[in-house]
Amino acid sequence: QVQLRESGPGLVKPLETLSLTCTVSGGSISGGSHYWTWIRQPAGKGLEYIGRIYSSGRGSTNYNPSLKGRVTISLDTSKNQFSLRLSSVTAADTAVYYCARDGSYCGGDCHSYDYWGQGNLVTVSS
Amino acid sequence: DIQMTQSPSSLSAFVGDRVTITCRASQTITKYLNWYQQKPGEAPKLLIYAASSLQSGVPSRFSGSISGPDHTLTISSLQPEDSAIYYCQQSYSFPRTFGQGTRVEIK
Repeated sequence: QVQLRESGPGLVKPLETLSLTCTVSGGSISGGSHYWTWIRQPAGKGLEYIGRIYSSGRGSTNYNPSLKGRVTISLDTSKNQFSLRLSSVTAADTAVYYCARDGSYCGGDCHSYDYWGQGNLVTVSS
Repeated sequence: DIQMTQSPSSLSAFVGDRVTITCRASQTITKYLNWYQQKPGEAPKLLIYAASSLQSGVPSRFSGSISGPDHTLTISSLQPEDSAIYYCQQSYSFPRTFGQGTRVEIK
């Protein structure tokens, strides 16, 4: 059973960089045609896609343009982890941050978030 | 970006009722639609992928379908543990987007 767990600071100062790590257990992060994704959810609000990274090869990435180039997602296969960096944060970045596996279904044609971490609340405040 | 609109925003129903939630995309997404259930303090849980495929381990009272431009999540017989917020999500294009959520309460 694949399990994901986020870790990182719960408080970040404005204009600094938010850094979170997701540790994957129960399977290799580089096994299979999966993507590894970050999603966030402000308190009482809906879900927002941040970006994803492919599990193997050069680890191709895709980011939400709404975050205006502030996002970097990276992969560390030796530690079975992937990470999120979000720079120049403001109060609007305060949210619960989830890591999730973007699983490949329908022979690779369909994708859905089939495994999730428990979430990591990050508050941006001085 | 593809906008996902869910209706209703909230509903209240009795145990045993049939419940339907609708999701409409701002452009065609064919079968590339997933449904999630989120309970308070928990991460979302995948219920349905590719519009109508039931995720392993999910009770069979949950089902998904497409009718024209609308995707529908149906709970055939509402149970107390189904009290949650339900989200649709398109996987047709980037950035991936979610509906605003439908809160389901038990009367």
